[in-house]
Amino acid sequence: DIQMTQSPSSVSASVGDRVTITCRASQDIDRWLGWYQQKPGKAPNLLIYAASNLQSGVPSRFSGSGSGTDFSLTISSLQPEDFATYYCQQGYSVPLTFGQGTRLEIK
Amino acid sequence: QVQLLESGGGVVQPGRSLRLSCAVSGFIFRSYAMYWVRQAPGKGLEWVAVISEHGNDKYYANSVKGRFTISRDNSKNTMYLEISSLRAEDTAVYYCARDLRVTGTVYFDFWGQGTLVTVSS
Repeated sequence: DIQMTQSPSSVSASVGDRVTITCRASQDIDRWLGWYQQKPGKAPNLLIYAASNLQSGVPSRFSGSGSGTDFSLTISSLQPEDFATYYCQQGYSVPLTFGQGTRLEIK
Repeated sequence: QVQLLESGGGVVQPGRSLRLSCAVSGFIFRSYAMYWVRQAPGKGLEWVAVISEHGNDKYYANSVKGRFTISRDNSKNTMYLEISSLRAEDTAVYYCARDLRVTGTVYFDFWGQGTLVTVSS
C-alpha cells in the first residue's frame, strides 16, 4: 500500500497569511494526488486534483504543486472560512490512501 | 443538482450485520464508479470499497475484505454496503462518494453527508 504522510499535523495562522501544507508519498505516484478540505461535522470537499488542477468552484487562492513523491497545497491569503482540516489522497492505485490530515487553526 | 444520501447507520452489537444505502440523484448513476469512505470518530479518512459502473468490478480495503460487500442497483440509482461480523474498529461515519472521472486516476468530487455506524454491546 502507498503511505501518504502530511506535514505539519497542525498549523496556526492568521487571516491573510500564506500557508503551505506538504504531502509525501511512499512511492512515485506521478501527478495523481488530490487535496480535500473538511470542516467539523461535514463531508470532505475536493479542492485540487491531479496535483495542480483546481476543482470547479474552488477559490483561486488555493493552489497545488508537485509530482513523484512530494506535493504541496498552498493557500495564498487565508480567509476565515479556510480554517479546517486538509487531507491529501493518492489516486494512483488501489487501495486508495489518504494522509493523516493537517489541522489549520486560527492564531 | 448532484445529491448523495446515505442511510442505514445505527448502533449494532459486535458480530452483527448492517446494510448501508446510498441513494443518488442529479447525475447518470450508471456512468460512474462509486465508492465508500469511512472516518472513525476524531480520525482521518479511510477508503473502504469501490464498485465499477455496471457492478462487475469490486475492490476492498484489506481491513474489510471478506466482511464487507459492495453492490449497486442502477435501476434504483442506489449503492449498498453490506457490513457483516462487525467489530468495534468499524465504528465510523460512512460516506458514499462519486468518482470525478479523470482518466487513469480517482478523486471524489461529490460526497454524501455520511451515516454513523456505532459498534457497541
